[in-house]
Amino acid sequence: DAKTTQPPSMDCAEGRAANLPCNHSTISGNEYVYWYRQIHSQGPQYIIHGLKNNETNEMASLIITEDRKSSTLILPHATLRDTAVYYCIVRVPNSGGYQKVTFGTGTKLQVIP
Amino acid sequence: DGGITQSPKYLFRKEGQNVTLSCEQNLNHDAMYWYRQDPGQGLRLIYYSQIVNDFQKGDIAEGYSVSREKKESFPLTVTSAQKNPTAFYLCASSTISGRARNEQFFGPGTRLTVL
Repeated sequence: DAKTTQPPSMDCAEGRAANLPCNHSTISGNEYVYWYRQIHSQGPQYIIHGLKNNETNEMASLIITEDRKSSTLILPHATLRDTAVYYCIVRVPNSGGYQKVTFGTGTKLQVIP
Repeated sequence: DGGITQSPKYLFRKEGQNVTLSCEQNLNHDAMYWYRQDPGQGLRLIYYSQIVNDFQKGDIAEGYSVSREKKESFPLTVTSAQKNPTAFYLCASSTISGRARNEQFFGPGTRLTVL
């Protein structure tokens, strides 16, 4: 699985959009981009994933560049409850049954009142 | 409600003692995983299992053991051979079907402190 690079921390004002970047320049053609978040002392939670098209769900939007070497997770109206560590992961969803998922150190997002 | 449970949430043990962490899921997932997280660090894979009675070592399996006697259960034993066992332990499960999503569902974690 390709590795990812994320900024260690970001701040965002409450109510504003939070844009979290991720670089994955070595991503291969069959690897998807997944985002998880981990609120302090809890297990990570799946947010969204995509292959090459932009995706949106009730939690967030995912923008993937045309060359697929980077992506941005967008939380449109950040709330204090969005304060968490956000992990960007790239992987093949079903690579022979075993899904090795490498979680780096992620981006610690602090939403400020 | 479907989900993953880990117990206990906090666990204290004396150095040199083995300890078993529980992980149960009722999501009917085939695959289960154990991760370790140290302060300010990402998750590191200890063991994983795709099917009952089969499991594989992850990146940091030394000092740990697991069993998968039932689909729903994947207990982790932290043995006395693990040199730095104090950490936050997370269990996860997922499907392994041909669908694209196959995201991992995580339990609430067990914080182990060895005194």
